[in-house]
Amino acid sequence: KQEVTQIPAALSVPEGENLVLNCSFTDSAIYNLQWFRQDPGKGLTSLLLIQSSQREQTSGRLNASLDKSSGRSTLYIAASQPGDSATYLCAVKTGANSKLTFGKGITLSVRP
Amino acid sequence: NAGVTQTPKFQVLKTGQSMTLQCAQDMNHNSMYWYRQDPGMGLRLIYYSASEGTTDKGEVPNGYNVSRLNKREFSLRLESAAPSQTSVYFCASSTTGTGIWGNTIYFGEGSWLTVV
Repeated sequence: KQEVTQIPAALSVPEGENLVLNCSFTDSAIYNLQWFRQDPGKGLTSLLLIQSSQREQTSGRLNASLDKSSGRSTLYIAASQPGDSATYLCAVKTGANSKLTFGKGITLSVRP
Repeated sequence: NAGVTQTPKFQVLKTGQSMTLQCAQDMNHNSMYWYRQDPGMGLRLIYYSASEGTTDKGEVPNGYNVSRLNKREFSLRLESAAPSQTSVYFCASSTTGTGIWGNTIYFGEGSWLTVV
């Protein structure tokens, strides 16, 4: 059974810092991995999706990498801003028709 | 572009009452999902529908029923609500295909349900 872990559960950093959020998964035979952002009281917004054949994806100040062999993905946020404060979740899909397995998320606070 | 729309956003139920959460997507997605999110438990899949006319149980289906009414709509019904079903419920839908955005999943804004 696929398990997805995100540690730490919470993180507080000063504005301007570059930071890395980690996601690990137990079964390396994944189909894709997706990073989401969730603001308080809101739904999840997809940030980046990495297919199993890819090593990384970039969108603006965000870069997500995937290392299937080690069962890890990282979300890099450059020059963090207070507006980046949210919970970040990763989710893994093990097959085209399989379900997503979510991590519990990392709650990020960026201090002005 | 509305994306995934859920109703109602907030609901308070008494134990034993029934209700239906409605979900509709306008992105022509084949697959739709219902999740619940609880503190410390993360997101858990209740039911999903891989395509119109099919539904399957997820991790926590007990106490719930679903209907895939057509390609756009996927409803979740609580037949006899219990306090343990107090949660935030999210509907989602996903693309298919193997392109760069293949199998991306999109979520609704959530429905906050309290059972007293």
